[in-house]
Amino acid sequence: GNSVTQMEGPVTLSEEAFLTINCTYTATGYPSLFWYVQYPGEGLQLLLKATKADDKGSNKGFEATYRKETTSFHLEKGSVQVSDSAVYFCALFQSGGSYIPTFGRGTSLIVHP
Amino acid sequence: GAGVSQSPSNKVTEKGKDVELRCDPISGHTALYWYRQSLGQGLEFLIYFQGNSAPDKSGLPSDRFSAERTGGSVSTLTIQRTQQEDSAVYLCASSTNTHGTAGAFFGQGTRLTVV
Repeated sequence: GNSVTQMEGPVTLSEEAFLTINCTYTATGYPSLFWYVQYPGEGLQLLLKATKADDKGSNKGFEATYRKETTSFHLEKGSVQVSDSAVYFCALFQSGGSYIPTFGRGTSLIVHP
Repeated sequence: GAGVSQSPSNKVTEKGKDVELRCDPISGHTALYWYRQSLGQGLEFLIYFQGNSAPDKSGLPSDRFSAERTGGSVSTLTIQRTQQEDSAVYLCASSTNTHGTAGAFFGQGTRLTVV
């Protein structure tokens, strides 16, 4: 079956540091890949997506590239802010077969001033 | 509405009582999902509705849990004889297609506390 593996958190950074949150996946066929962000006390918000290999999704300074050869979709941001502190979820959606999206366990990011 | 709406936002109930949680998806979205998120944990899939098809109930943890979706729109998740381990945030999401390219859009969740 499908699976998504994210790096363990929490990730603790100082403001303006570079961020990478690793995500790898296992799936048959060609899934679409997503990053969601969850701020404290809120639901999940769609942050960015990529629907085919080599696509780069970007939003709010975050970006991730769909790498089929390494089955990865790592989230990056060049300069984090305190307001980026949240939990980040990597997810895949598969067309055909099971339509139930698969989520990683989430990675908590804490950014200090 | 513009987004997925869930109600109530918070619910405190006594152990053994039944509760109903409501989800109003984005208009026109044919797919609807329920997830459970325990404190500090990831997302646990509960149930999936797609149009008029039979729902995928493979994630429901016990027969105390049930859900329905009326008219292909609003969904209600019912938990009977609540237990303390049912305390969690229940998240609803909806999606516009089955191709997977649009992703899913989540509501704010219902925080359920069983005392």
